[in-house]
Amino acid sequence: QLQLQESGPGLVKPSETLSLTCTVSGGSISSSTYYWGWIRQPPGKGLEWIGNIYYSGSTYYNPSLKSRVTISVDTSKNQFSLKLSSVTAADTAVYYCARLAAAGTLNFDYWGQGTLVTVSS
Amino acid sequence: QTVVTQEPSLTVSPGGTVTLTCASSTGAVTSGSYPNWFQQKPGQAPRSLIYSASNKHSWTPARFSGSLLGGKATLTLSGVQPEDEADYYCLLFYGGIQGVFGGGTKLTVL
Repeated sequence: QLQLQESGPGLVKPSETLSLTCTVSGGSISSSTYYWGWIRQPPGKGLEWIGNIYYSGSTYYNPSLKSRVTISVDTSKNQFSLKLSSVTAADTAVYYCARLAAAGTLNFDYWGQGTLVTVSS
Repeated sequence: QTVVTQEPSLTVSPGGTVTLTCASSTGAVTSGSYPNWFQQKPGQAPRSLIYSASNKHSWTPARFSGSLLGGKATLTLSGVQPEDEADYYCLLFYGGIQGVFGGGTKLTVL
């Protein structure tokens, strides 16, 4: 059974960089039929797609966040990571990692449990 | 910036039928946007219910169905159960694999 687990600091200071890692178990991040994505949800609000990465390193970002976002992959550790720079209180959210099935379809079929990141001094 | 629109809230009686819709500011929703539907209960991660407009996962209850109708993606719940009370989100893809979520529909079973 595929599992994804987010990890990283739960508190980040304004103007600093938010860094999270998603560890994938029960499957290979190097599979050719999947991308890997980050989604976030501010408290009490809706979901926002942040970006996706392929095992080769190809990335796709939300245009509204593109200038601040970097997603990377480490196939040797079966992990992918998110960095969001120059954070403000508006970046406070639960951050989810998810698998994007991409063989004849596009579907975030498996999700991590999410991790709350609070931006505050 | 593409906007995906859903009903903010809907109410349905137990055993009833309700249809949620998902519209795109760019025009008609098509299969090429690979419409996804997710269910989210409080304190939980979203769970995928429907993909590519009408396909179900092995874990998707039979009472959930998806389609494209009238230029929108729709999610229909038939024979609603109390445990279906949740937030429902649609997701559309543009320009390859760039996704845009709808604002979500809060479904109340009352």
